[in-house]
Amino acid sequence: GAVVSQHPSWVICKSGTSVKIECRSLDFQATTMFWYRQFPKQSLMLMATSNEGSKATYEQGVEKDKFLINHASLTLSTLTVTSAHPEDSSFYICSVRASEPYEQYFGPGTRLTVT
Amino acid sequence: GQNIDQPTEMTATEGAIVQINCTYQTSGFNGLFWYQQHAGEAPTFLSYNVLDGLEEKGRFSSFLSRSKGYSYLLLKELQMKDSASYLCAGMDSNYQLIWGAGTKLIIKP
Repeated sequence: GAVVSQHPSWVICKSGTSVKIECRSLDFQATTMFWYRQFPKQSLMLMATSNEGSKATYEQGVEKDKFLINHASLTLSTLTVTSAHPEDSSFYICSVRASEPYEQYFGPGTRLTVT
Repeated sequence: GQNIDQPTEMTATEGAIVQINCTYQTSGFNGLFWYQQHAGEAPTFLSYNVLDGLEEKGRFSSFLSRSKGYSYLLLKELQMKDSASYLCAGMDSNYQLIWGAGTKLIIKP
């Protein structure tokens, strides 16, 4: 399967600041990447679908101006949490979608804590 | 609407067999996936079924019945390291994954 990395693996930031999370597909050219959020003991929640060279598609209820996604190349997508608040503290995970049968491979995740 | 149902939690004994069931309703169907997620970690891919029947992969097997909208993950010879959440996900006609809430599997010695 595809190898996906995320950076940083964990970050602590102050309320009101912005945080950028990088997702890299190390051995696979990904035209589509996904960003998920997972709160403790809850299921994965899809935030947005990131398409290389075009605007991301956001799920209902996810603020596109707060969660900025840039899919600049076939191997890199970034998620920027702007003006972070404590309720944004969560586990953020990216994934890449392989070609058929379209399984998704996940990065190791980034744990964000906003104080 | 689209929906994935699976039990919230199951308990089994080391060395035993456990079956985790999943029922799904998706708009169109392009396959059923199972993922394993250990606490604090990202999910890892376990299996994919698109045709009816049983797919075996070592100690893990996955079954699909499209007519019943039903799948199960079978884990044999359970080991303590199998304690994790198991996520069932159906792929809809747009190739989007619809996720279940996960089944937390607790293995007891």
